[in-house]
Amino acid sequence: QVQLQESGPGLVKPSQTLSLTCTVSGGSISSGSYYWSWIRQPAGKGLEWIGRIYTSGSTNYNPSLKSRVTISVDTSKNQFSLKLSSVTAADTAVYYCARLPAARPGDAFDIWGQGTMVTVSS
Amino acid sequence: QSVLTQPPSVSAAPGQKVTISCSGSSSNIGNNYVSWYQQLPGTAPKLLIYENNKRPSGIPDRFSGSKSGTSATLGITGLQTGDEADYYCGTWDSSLSADWVFGGGTKLTVL
Repeated sequence: QVQLQESGPGLVKPSQTLSLTCTVSGGSISSGSYYWSWIRQPAGKGLEWIGRIYTSGSTNYNPSLKSRVTISVDTSKNQFSLKLSSVTAADTAVYYCARLPAARPGDAFDIWGQGTMVTVSS
Repeated sequence: QSVLTQPPSVSAAPGQKVTISCSGSSSNIGNNYVSWYQQLPGTAPKLLIYENNKRPSGIPDRFSGSKSGTSATLGITGLQTGDEADYYCGTWDSSLSADWVFGGGTKLTVL
């Protein structure tokens, strides 16, 4: 079965760029119709959708983060990545990657990574 | 401030039933399917309900979902201590707020 695993630095300095990778195992990232997504959760708070990349490579981002976010895919490595620039302490959170099937309007985030904690601090 | 509104907390005794509401608008719940997620302490969210009221394989029928207008409800019967978790609703949003939106989450305490 498909599994997702986030990886990347756990500590990022303010004003720098946060970079995370999600590795897809158990299936090909380029097969089927899926939105590969990033979601974050500050400590003690709710979930915030960051953005997604479709199997074709098209992207959509949360308007509140759009100017700082880039999501890309590397099919050769079966990975997709998140870059968030000009980070501040407000970007400190657990970051999850997740899969959202794009087959039907009622589809939902059916597979999640375990999450990775990123702290923004000097 | 979340686009979808959930009560911060609910509680009930073991064996009892509880409902969690999720209120939105015509740009999200009113015209889209709702999904629900369970987040046990220290773990990633897990899909509980999709397409308003469907359960993925492996989710017990103690969990149910419904939708009416611009609101949705998650129901849990036969409460168990293992159900203590945070629960989130989510759906698409066609306004400028975001592509996908989540509720603020509801903490379920099984007394």
